[in-house]
Amino acid sequence: GEDVEQSLFLSVREGDSSVINCTYTDSSSTYLYWYKQEPGAGLQLLTYIFSNMDMKQDQRLTVLLNKKDKHLSLRIADTQTGDSAIYFCAEIFSGNTGKLIFGQGTTLQVKP
Amino acid sequence: KAGVTQTPRYLIKTRGQQVTLSCSPISGHRSVSWYQQTPGQGLQFLFEYFSETQRNKGNFPGRFSGRQFSNSRSEMNVSTLELGDSALYLCASSTGGSEKLFFGSGTQLSVL
Repeated sequence: GEDVEQSLFLSVREGDSSVINCTYTDSSSTYLYWYKQEPGAGLQLLTYIFSNMDMKQDQRLTVLLNKKDKHLSLRIADTQTGDSAIYFCAEIFSGNTGKLIFGQGTTLQVKP
Repeated sequence: KAGVTQTPRYLIKTRGQQVTLSCSPISGHRSVSWYQQTPGQGLQFLFEYFSETQRNKGNFPGRFSGRQFSNSRSEMNVSTLELGDSALYLCASSTGGSEKLFFGSGTQLSVL
């Protein structure tokens, strides 16, 4: 089945690391994504990982994928106030073109 | 390279009217997907077009329709508007595979 779950809220201090977690139920997904949405804006693609990878690092962002537990996480190092936003994880299945399955989104609040 | 462009940015309509939203994908992208975002239901997939053909479809009523032109620009139409159609409508473009989908800023539709 198609279901992606995220915790709704995370609050951190500026300079700390943030870890946003996501679980999914279908192991046949091909790609998993992290998107960022700021107020009144569209979705910005932050990073994505192919389902046969365990980890991907891109500057301050680290994505970890545990296929056995169907768990995806996004770590943001040295979190800044500009990182305050809603973060969505999403998955896509082979052959299901254009159809991302999104979680509910995690609101990240960064306190100065 | 210009990003995904959606017009108009805001729309106000009344119940029973119809509305057309436009999406211009990133140059060279042939796939356009449409999503509805509401506070209650989150992000839901409407449909995907590739080379002027609808290739994938979500679970929305027939009042929601779309099309794609030869230049890959896409339009989405909603007929007989209902209050519940008030939402942010987002489109995403990709080269046509299942890798990176890039989103526009969206059209905020309010139905009164």
